Amino acid sequence: AQSVAQPEDQVNVAEGNPLTVKCTYSVSGNPYLFWYVQYPNRGLQFLLKYITGDNLVKGSYGFEAEFNKSQTSFHLKKPSALVSDSALYFCAVRESTTGFQKLVFGTGTRLLVSP
Amino acid sequence: EAGVVQSPRYKIIEKKQPVAFWCNPISGHNTLYWYRQNLGQGPELLIRYENEEAVDDSQLPKDRFSAERLKGVDSTLKIQPAELGDSAVYLCASSQNGRTGGSYTFGSGTRLTVV
Repeated sequence: AQSVAQPEDQVNVAEGNPLTVKCTYSVSGNPYLFWYVQYPNRGLQFLLKYITGDNLVKGSYGFEAEFNKSQTSFHLKKPSALVSDSALYFCAVRESTTGFQKLVFGTGTRLLVSP
Repeated sequence: EAGVVQSPRYKIIEKKQPVAFWCNPISGHNTLYWYRQNLGQGPELLIRYENEEAVDDSQLPKDRFSAERLKGVDSTLKIQPAELGDSAVYLCASSQNGRTGGSYTFGSGTRLTVV
């Protein structure tokens, strides 16, 4: 079965500093990886995905993620954090069973950006 | 486009009572998913529909949970009777094609509290 791990429950960063939210994956075959963000009392919003191609994937709100096959990682990054980036971030991997796809999520990392 | 619409947003019930959640997916999306998100955890798939057919319900606790998607559009998830451990956020998502894994869109969720 496919899985992702988010080793940090929380990441703290000051506004204007770069941020990294870590994710490692375990898959058989080619990995299809995703990042979602969840604001309080809201559903999950899609940020970006890696299917194939360039290892650096650019997404919404200035976020990007770097796919590293040798380290089985897919860390989320942003060059300059904003207070409004404070939210819960989920890494996910797409699993295929019986011909249909489903997303398997990590446990989430809370990002707190201080002014 | 309204996105995935869920109701109610919040529900508080006493244990052993029944409860139902409703989801209206994005128009034209054939695949519908119900996820459960426990506090501090990532979402976990309960059931997935391809049109009106439940193609993966292996994670649905069938002794108390049931779901339907009549006419392949709206869906209802029911719990009867509810237990304290059912307190969670229930998320609905839809995608255009479950086989190819198109982009998921999540609703805002229903936060259930069982007292």
